[in-house]
Amino acid sequence: DSGVTQTPKHLITATGQRVTLRCSPRSGDLSVYWYQQSLDQGLQFLIQYYNGEERAKGNILERFSAQQFPDLHSELNLSSLELGDSALYFCASSAPAGGYNSPLHFGNGTRLTVT
Amino acid sequence: AQSVTQLGSHVSVSEGALVLLRCNYSSSVPPYLFWYVQYPNQGLQLLLKYTTGATLVKGINGFEAEFKKSETSFHLTKPSAHMSDAAEYFCAVSRGGTSYGKLTFGQGTILTVHP
Repeated sequence: DSGVTQTPKHLITATGQRVTLRCSPRSGDLSVYWYQQSLDQGLQFLIQYYNGEERAKGNILERFSAQQFPDLHSELNLSSLELGDSALYFCASSAPAGGYNSPLHFGNGTRLTVT
Repeated sequence: AQSVTQLGSHVSVSEGALVLLRCNYSSSVPPYLFWYVQYPNQGLQLLLKYTTGATLVKGINGFEAEFKKSETSFHLTKPSAHMSDAAEYFCAVSRGGTSYGKLTFGQGTILTVHP
């Protein structure tokens, strides 16, 4: 058990809809990362938050957004969903305060299916 | 820009045989290199990492990898395969520092272990 909790585990929705994925990092971790794993693109970095602030952006679509709340949990919002957004979305956490080189701990992912 | 190439999307070995999973990277700065393992329906688990220092890195479950700058490689090995090693393995690279957790992954190698 990595200590990173993602909910829900599975999500099935229709094209054009909006969903919210939730991540609770390991206790004490300040950084949260979101990754997308799809058959076409493999594992891709989407976005990172550190202690509530956006730290880095990757290949995240404009239809997607994220935030990290004061209690350090994070949400990834996906809107105007398309069939191609079907994927496994991972959250990872790291960095107890001050530790840039702390390893990432991954949750078990949320599997999103868009029909 | 950084990239990772994993040679061989599928590798099959017999139990007790040597495991060799190949990874080559491209990076314009000194790379931080990682191997992760993913079991079915689970998140990614860190096997080992190279940041600086000793080029032969030992990880969990008997795995090790050697950073060879001249060959831009970071191949993963295990002397004797066990049935429990069957999983998908991902090589990843990052720039380190504040970009430490912004990983670029290879496409993955599925390891099958035959009795």
